[in-house]
Order: sequence, then structure tokens, then C-alpha cells
Amino acid sequence: GENVEQHPSTLSVQEGDSAVIKCTYSDSASNYFPWYKQELGKGPQLIIDIRSNVGEKKDQRIAVTLNKTAKHFSLHITETQPEDSAVYFCAASLGGSYIPTFGRGTSLIVHP
Amino acid sequence: DTGVSQDPRHKITKRGQNVTFRCDPISEHNRLYWYRQTLGQGPEFLTYFQNEAQLEKSRLLSDRFSAERPKGSFSTLEIQRTEQGDSAMYLCASRPGAGYEQYFGPGTRLTVT
Repeated sequence: GENVEQHPSTLSVQEGDSAVIKCTYSDSASNYFPWYKQELGKGPQLIIDIRSNVGEKKDQRIAVTLNKTAKHFSLHITETQPEDSAVYFCAASLGGSYIPTFGRGTSLIVHP
Repeated sequence: DTGVSQDPRHKITKRGQNVTFRCDPISEHNRLYWYRQTLGQGPEFLTYFQNEAQLEKSRLLSDRFSAERPKGSFSTLEIQRTEQGDSAMYLCASRPGAGYEQYFGPGTRLTVT
């Protein structure tokens, strides 16, 4: 089955800095890669996603890049703000049922 | 617009008791997923419905777990003879038929004492 590795497990940055979270996946057939933000006591919230036919996608301060050959994808957050503090999960899934395999999460802490 | 809702939000039960959780998906979302999340881990897939049909089940879903989605709307997840290892957050998500984005509910936190 699919295996998703996510690094780092904890990331501490100063407000205004950039943050990068990296993930690798094992199944070359995976074709959909969502990123979720989870705040304490809440369910995960989709923040951005990318399909395998696209190499990069951007939405305001958030961008995701995908390297299919190397089987890795990354989340980039620019101009971080304290409200970006949360746990971020990457995931990989295959078309059809789109059942995602999640990484173990990255706890992002943005210091004011 | 209402998102995915789950009830109860918290459940404390004694080992050996049965518990049932409910999930109400976003209306007209015909795909529904259940996940389990333990501390420091990402959500782990349990089972998946398309309308009322349960199409996939994880090997994590032991015989003590059963899920239903009668009429293809809300879903229930029942755990029989709970064990301390069942303590976790149980998450529900729904997806429209034409899209691939999943929308998660707030979860039900189960504590087995």
C-alpha cells in the first residue's frame, strides 16, 4: 500500500518568515495530493491540493509543488502569521475512491 | 451552508461497553468516509461509502466495528465491546460525486476507561 513520509515533525518560525514542509510517497500511481490544516480540537481543513498532471499550484500565501519523478511534494507558506500555527498534514491518494494516506503531520509554530 | 457534523463530540465509556457515533455529511455529497486519528498521527482510513453502499473497509476495521449508511444520507459507526486501544478521535468526511476534495467534520473523541 501507499506510504507517506512527512518532514519535519515540528517547525518553528518567526512571523513573516517562510515555512516549507516536505512529503514523499511510495506509490507511483497516486495522482491526487491534498494538504490539510488541523487546529486543536477541530477536524482537518483542506487548504490546497494538486493533481499529478500539474507541477505547481499557488493560492495567495500558500503554494504546493509536485515532483512525480522523485515522488515528493512540498507545501510552501510565505509571510507566515501567528494564525498559521497548526498541524499540517500531507496526503496521497489514487483516483476512484480517492482514499488518502496521510503523513504524520507537522506542527507549525509561528512566533509573533 | 452547514458542513459535516458529528455527534457526540465527546464520549467517555467503560471498557466492554458499546458506543455509536453519527455523522451527517454535507447535503448531496454521496461519498462518505470514516477515519480514526490518534495523538501525533494523521487520520487513518476505516471505511468508505458511496451512497448507501459500503465499498471499502480497512483491515483496521475489526469485527467489533460496523458502519452503516442507510438511505445514503447520515452514517453511523458502532464499536462493540470497546477496548482501551479504541480511544481516539473518530473523524467523518464527505465528498461530492464529481469532485475529489474531502470535507471533514469536527470529530468524536472517544475515551475508553
